[in-house]
Amino acid sequence: AQTVTQSQPEMSVQEAETVTLSCTYDTSESDYYLFWYKQPPSRQMILVIRQEAYKQQNATENRFSVNFQKAAKSFSLKISDSQLGDAAMYFCASPQKGTSGTYKYIFGTGTRLKVLA
Amino acid sequence: KAGVTQTPRYLIKTRGQQVTLSCSPISGHRSVSWYQQTPGQGLQFLFEYFSETQRNKGNFPGRFSGRQFSNSRSEMNVSTLELGDSALYLCASSSTGTGGRETQYFGPGTRLLVL
Repeated sequence: AQTVTQSQPEMSVQEAETVTLSCTYDTSESDYYLFWYKQPPSRQMILVIRQEAYKQQNATENRFSVNFQKAAKSFSLKISDSQLGDAAMYFCASPQKGTSGTYKYIFGTGTRLKVLA
Repeated sequence: KAGVTQTPRYLIKTRGQQVTLSCSPISGHRSVSWYQQTPGQGLQFLFEYFSETQRNKGNFPGRFSGRQFSNSRSEMNVSTLELGDSALYLCASSSTGTGGRETQYFGPGTRLLVL
């Protein structure tokens, strides 16, 4: 079965510092997207960043960037200049093809990020 | 564009009852997926609907069902509620849901507590 693994249940970072959250995935697809979502205490899932697997270039969205290693099936999220508002659960997600040929998303177990003032 | 909306936001039910949750996708989105989130099991896929047809289903018992209307709004129903059904139910929409290159956008969720 397809899996998404987040090996860090919890991480802490000092305000204004940089932190990297890890994710590994397993897919048999060749053309796909990978996603990081943020879930703050409000429980709303917010898209943070998306990586297109066929692109060599790592995606960047303001203070958020990814380190995408396709051969290693690794997809880590780097948060620079961490802010108090970044405190949340972060989920990595990978698409899995179902029997109908359409896709569902498999999510990792999440990493809880604490930002220390 | 308005985001994904879910109603109600909170629900308290007792064991044995049934419940219906509603999801309105982003305008123009035709695929709606439902997920259950619990502390123990994380985010688990329930099912996905497109053009009023269920296209994908997760590993949940038959007590969990859903449907989609012609305007793409979707409902999910849980019958004979059990304590373990207490969870946050998230709905996500995407344009077509046909490729591994679609972005899903999530609603705020419905928190269900079964007593």
